[in-house]
Amino acid sequence: AQSVTQLGSHVSVSEGALVLLRCNYSSSVPPYLFWYVQYPNQGLQLLLKYTSAATLVKGINGFEAEFKKSETSFHLTKPSAHMSDAAEYFCAVRVPGSARQLTFGSGTQLTVLP
Amino acid sequence: NAGVTQTPKFRILKIGQSMTLQCTQDMNHNYMYWYRQDPGMGLKLIYYSVGAGITDKGEVPNGYNVSRSTTEDFPLRLELAAPSQTSVYFCASCERQATNTEAFFGQGTRLTVV
Repeated sequence: AQSVTQLGSHVSVSEGALVLLRCNYSSSVPPYLFWYVQYPNQGLQLLLKYTSAATLVKGINGFEAEFKKSETSFHLTKPSAHMSDAAEYFCAVRVPGSARQLTFGSGTQLTVLP
Repeated sequence: NAGVTQTPKFRILKIGQSMTLQCTQDMNHNYMYWYRQDPGMGLKLIYYSVGAGITDKGEVPNGYNVSRSTTEDFPLRLELAAPSQTSVYFCASCERQATNTEAFFGQGTRLTVV
């Protein structure tokens, strides 16, 4: 069975600083990987997804993630944090051939300090 | 574009009461899901459906029931509410044709059982 581990349940960065949110996965077959963002009292919105076309994936709002098979990682980065990036971020994995259901990590709450 | 619509947004139930959380999508997606979100736990899959008339248990199905009589609707039923069911519930849907497509989420239902 697949699983996802997000290191760091809370991350704080200063406005303008680099954002790095960590995600490691476990899967017996090459997975599809997703990052979702959740703003307060909102549903989940897709930031980006990895589907084997390219290892460096660009998403919305300046975020990107790099798939590293050797490290089983899919870390999310943004060069310069903005106050509006404060939210909870979820990494998720889907195994091809399944009924498309996602397995989520426990989430990382990002705080951006002025 | 409505997408995935959940009702109600908020609800308080007394122990032992029952209720149905409604979910409807207008994207003609075959796959639909119910997740619950608890602090620090990410999202856990309760039930899912791969098409009208077909449902299956997810990771945490106890205390819940679902039905899928149409492609659009996927209601979640709580028969005897318990405090452990206090959570935020998300409905999601996904198309069948593309294996790398993402799931689309509703805005959530915040349920408190007292």
